[in-house]
Amino acid sequence: SQQGEEDPQALSIQEGENATMNCSYKTSINNLQWYRQNSGRGLVHLILIRSNEREKHSGRLRVTLDTSKKSSSLLITASRAADTASYFCATDPSTGNQFYFGTGTSLTVIP
Amino acid sequence: KAGVTQTPRYLIKTRGQQVTLSCSPISGHRSVSWYQQTPGQGLQFLFEYFSETQRNKGNFPGRFSGRQFSNSRSEMNVSTLELGDSALYLCASSLRPGPNYGYTFGSGTRLTVV
Repeated sequence: SQQGEEDPQALSIQEGENATMNCSYKTSINNLQWYRQNSGRGLVHLILIRSNEREKHSGRLRVTLDTSKKSSSLLITASRAADTASYFCATDPSTGNQFYFGTGTSLTVIP
Repeated sequence: KAGVTQTPRYLIKTRGQQVTLSCSPISGHRSVSWYQQTPGQGLQFLFEYFSETQRNKGNFPGRFSGRQFSNSRSEMNVSTLELGDSALYLCASSLRPGPNYGYTFGSGTRLTVV
């Protein structure tokens, strides 16, 4: 089965609100990455957090990583309609050479 | 700089045929990975190439194959197409394999098998 699982599967919020999505994984990892995918398009790399980091910021994005709980969260502050997309976490396990993508969270930001 | 380019964008094939998809990575990127995305299975790893060598392969049948050329461009081939092969095929490139590099994805090739 896939390494990462996102929660919730779908999220609908009003523009200006914050959006939080979570990712849980199963094995130890080297790093965890978050990607965004607009409908029918490729994935866009948002942020990478290494296993020895606990929090990382990039613009309106804040990512946390809790390796003891094997979970990560992505917070998008002051959301905009343009943030409407699917968001995936991807993990790079400590063993093995491939990335595993989660099932994704579909975010809808209502103007 | 130019992004990852995948061609063609859309493809319709008949069951039993074969298909070849192409991916040109970002200039300077030497690692190319392929993923299959379907509504039911999500993103599934197909294989990764680095310096013309396949480094890793996902759990797909032998009908799925790929290669990488000396200029880092990569092709993916699917033979004896089945209806279940209908999917968005995404190519991603990075400077090199490893845990410290993010992938840059192309827009994908939408394959429909009828």
